[in-house]
Amino acid sequence: NAGVTQTPKFRVLKTGQSMTLLCAQDMNHEYMYWYRQDPGMGLRLIHYSVGEGTTAKGEVPDGYNVSRLNKREFSLRLESAAPSQTSVYFCASLTGGEGAYGYTFGSGTRLTVV
Amino acid sequence: LAKTTQPISMDSYEGQEVNITCSHNNIATNDYITWYQQFPSQGPRFIIQGYKTKVTNEVASLFIPADRKSSTLSLPRVSLSDTAVYYCLVGDISYNFNKFYFGSGTKLNVKP
Repeated sequence: NAGVTQTPKFRVLKTGQSMTLLCAQDMNHEYMYWYRQDPGMGLRLIHYSVGEGTTAKGEVPDGYNVSRLNKREFSLRLESAAPSQTSVYFCASLTGGEGAYGYTFGSGTRLTVV
Repeated sequence: LAKTTQPISMDSYEGQEVNITCSHNNIATNDYITWYQQFPSQGPRFIIQGYKTKVTNEVASLFIPADRKSSTLSLPRVSLSDTAVYYCLVGDISYNFNKFYFGSGTKLNVKP
């Protein structure tokens, strides 16, 4: 099925550990995003990419690094996890033209840092 | 980027029609209005998008007045499964691809 695939779905990390969240889309979209969502809150943009080999900071980039490996894949890395990074992480891709647009989101990665 | 304002929460009963209004007073000429739905533990999913007047699909209707300073998402005959958070986004992909703001949305609670 066409869409955005995220792995893993759940993860528990100890403070200071590192991990990489993977995201892949098969819709040939140029734009890809990483968001985090804390309980009862809206989505906050961490980093985004407007095409292969490009990345840019969003609203809350500190503590995260990203790589746009190719058009399909966009990874998010936590080098040294902190309890404040406990959250649900969503990857999304965006397409559109002439003003119109549409996001497709992955199912999320629930990360707990202890 | 047009700032949007929508109610924090709404309650409804099964079978009722629900209307959620979003205000966007400084909407730009080329901006589109899009609504997303998010269930707990899932990513938001597209419901409907419009530019002006009325748009209808199998899930919802979107009403946009002539001045486009607000929009109303209408969900006909809601069921318990419509309990979710609804987000209103306003923008133009050409200029806002890195600025779309989901905010806290409207939490709709459908009761039996």
